[in-house]
Amino acid sequence: GQQVMQIPQYQHVQEGEDFTTYCNSSTTLSNIQWYKQRPGGHPVFLIQLVKSGEVKKQKRLTFQFGEAKKNSSLHITATQTTDVGTYFCAGLGGSNYKLTFGKGTLLTVNP
Amino acid sequence: DAGITQSPRHKVTETGTPVTLRCHQTENHRYMYWYRQDPGHGLRLIHYSYGVKDTDKGEVSDGYSVSRSKTEDFLLTLESATSSQTSVYFCAISTGSEQYFGPGTRLTVT
Repeated sequence: GQQVMQIPQYQHVQEGEDFTTYCNSSTTLSNIQWYKQRPGGHPVFLIQLVKSGEVKKQKRLTFQFGEAKKNSSLHITATQTTDVGTYFCAGLGGSNYKLTFGKGTLLTVNP
Repeated sequence: DAGITQSPRHKVTETGTPVTLRCHQTENHRYMYWYRQDPGHGLRLIHYSYGVKDTDKGEVSDGYSVSRSKTEDFLLTLESATSSQTSVYFCAISTGSEQYFGPGTRLTVT
């Protein structure tokens, strides 16, 4: 079945440093989605990428979808303590409504 | 949030007992999902539903059953709870392809 690998598993940064998490799928995806989960909370939808090579920005967050639609990245510029949490990518493959989640990257930020 | 509630929010039960978790939505979305979340495993799909009485298995469905008799409710049942089913369980709905999650149920099986 479809597998989605995400690295790194953990990342600790000093406030103000940049952060990137990477996602790779074993199969071509229809789209890729990103979610954020704060400690003790539930996953919250951030964004969806659909087109090959697509780049989207949300303030300090930049999301990219690879040309082959098998990989994606999330980059945070100048991290803040409010960025703390686990970031998940999730790929939509053959089924229109079943997502396959990566295992997530836990980001901690030292103030 | 997308009007999703889960009950109970916390439960402690003994091995071998049946347990039912409830997910309730207020916006009549067709697709509903049950996931479990464990350290090092991320979110894994247990079962999902694409309409009333229409359900299908996810990647970790063994030991779980589901029912959906009304659009707004999706029930997850552990027929005979085991310690390996200690986890946080999230319900989600889909509005298109993106998903919106409930607050979660923390289940401990002793």
